[in-house]
Amino acid sequence: DVVMTQTPPSLSVAIGQSVSISCKSSQSLVYSDGKTYLHWLLQSSGRSPKRLIYQVSNLDSGVPDRFSGTGSQKDFTLKISRVEAKDLGVYYCAQTTHFPLTFGSGTKLEIK
Amino acid sequence: EVQLKESGPGLVQPSQTLSLTCTVSGFSLTDYSVHWVRQPPGKGLEWMGVMWSGGSTAYNSALKSRLSISRDTSKSQVFLKMNSLQTEDTAIYYCTRGTPYWGQGVMVTVSS
Repeated sequence: DVVMTQTPPSLSVAIGQSVSISCKSSQSLVYSDGKTYLHWLLQSSGRSPKRLIYQVSNLDSGVPDRFSGTGSQKDFTLKISRVEAKDLGVYYCAQTTHFPLTFGSGTKLEIK
Repeated sequence: EVQLKESGPGLVQPSQTLSLTCTVSGFSLTDYSVHWVRQPPGKGLEWMGVMWSGGSTAYNSALKSRLSISRDTSKSQVFLKMNSLQTEDTAIYYCTRGTPYWGQGVMVTVSS
């Protein structure tokens, strides 16, 4: 299975600051169709995970452009600009390029 | 609107069998796969298995000997059965249509 290594495990940030979360995969996530199926999810407290970004950099509907995703092959980053209180929760990267679906271990974002 | 909803018992005794149902709407099970993912309290997401749109299944190798997934397309339902439950199987169990769509989850506690 593809191992997704996510860092840091936790972050504490003041409102208005920016943060970045790293996700590295044990194999390239480029699929045979040329696309990269790396996604970012946010799980707010007591809620189901919600996808924010799909295929590295595409924002899901309704996700503010304060969120951005970059990366390629095995190295990916989620950046949150101008953090707001509603951004707190646990962020996961997930890959669906290779079977089975695997997730990073999560990054807990706390507000100072 | 795509929706998934899990149902099942909240409490299962050790060594017993867990039976969960995922009822979907807004799409057909013959067009999309449905995955089961679980999350132990305070921990990350673990992929359990999948019911492919064609009707075949695949399982996490660590759970394969205990896990069975089936479906009833006429009722838009996917079923999970897992036997020989232990306390470490205590978790929130989600069904998901890949990363973008998740059920609300059902908390299952394994305890006597």
